[in-house]
Amino acid sequence: GEDVEQSLFLSVREGDSSVINCTYTDSSSTYLYWYKQEPGAGLQLLTYIFSNMDMKQDQRLTVLLNKKDKHLSLRIADTQTGDSAIYFCAEIRYNTDKLIFGTGTRLQVFP
Amino acid sequence: DAGVIQSPRHEVTEMGQEVTLRCKPISGHDYLFWYRQTMMRGLELLIYFNNNVPIDDSGMPEDRFSAKMPNASFSTLKIQPSEPRDSAVYFCASRAGPSYEQYFGPGTRLTVT
Repeated sequence: GEDVEQSLFLSVREGDSSVINCTYTDSSSTYLYWYKQEPGAGLQLLTYIFSNMDMKQDQRLTVLLNKKDKHLSLRIADTQTGDSAIYFCAEIRYNTDKLIFGTGTRLQVFP
Repeated sequence: DAGVIQSPRHEVTEMGQEVTLRCKPISGHDYLFWYRQTMMRGLELLIYFNNNVPIDDSGMPEDRFSAKMPNASFSTLKIQPSEPRDSAVYFCASRAGPSYEQYFGPGTRLTVT
């Protein structure tokens, strides 16, 4: 199937960790991505992971990939108010050039 | 690099009018993608080009939509005639194959009244 699913909302307190989850359906996915969209702006590429990796860390961001369960997560450590945005996961499937996007998770950070 | 450039940033037009959206990809990128974002349907891929050639236009809603890429540094998405249901944010993105890093422009917010 085509679906890439995410929960719609996440609310966290400033300084806590945020974990945004994503599930996908196609086991042929080769690369999986996380994008951030702030209000009125385009999508900013945060990070991506190749499907033969389990984890990738980049400063405050940690991506975990469970291929068996087709589950991808993005952990943001020490979440700040500037992290408030919509986060999209996306996948590229084998032998295609198209990014398939999830529905997006709106992260709200409160003081 | 200036990133992906789109113009105009905002467009308000009346139903029935022709609308042209413009995109300049990042220099050296050979893939260009057009997306549409709405609350109801999320992010939809409309069409993409590789080396200026349209590869997949299966996401183009109907014949009122057309896209061209006359050269490596410019693409247009045209809607003629426009309808209120075309109101959305239209994004252009580019990528340097075989890199898998796809970069988005700031978008054009289209309102058709």
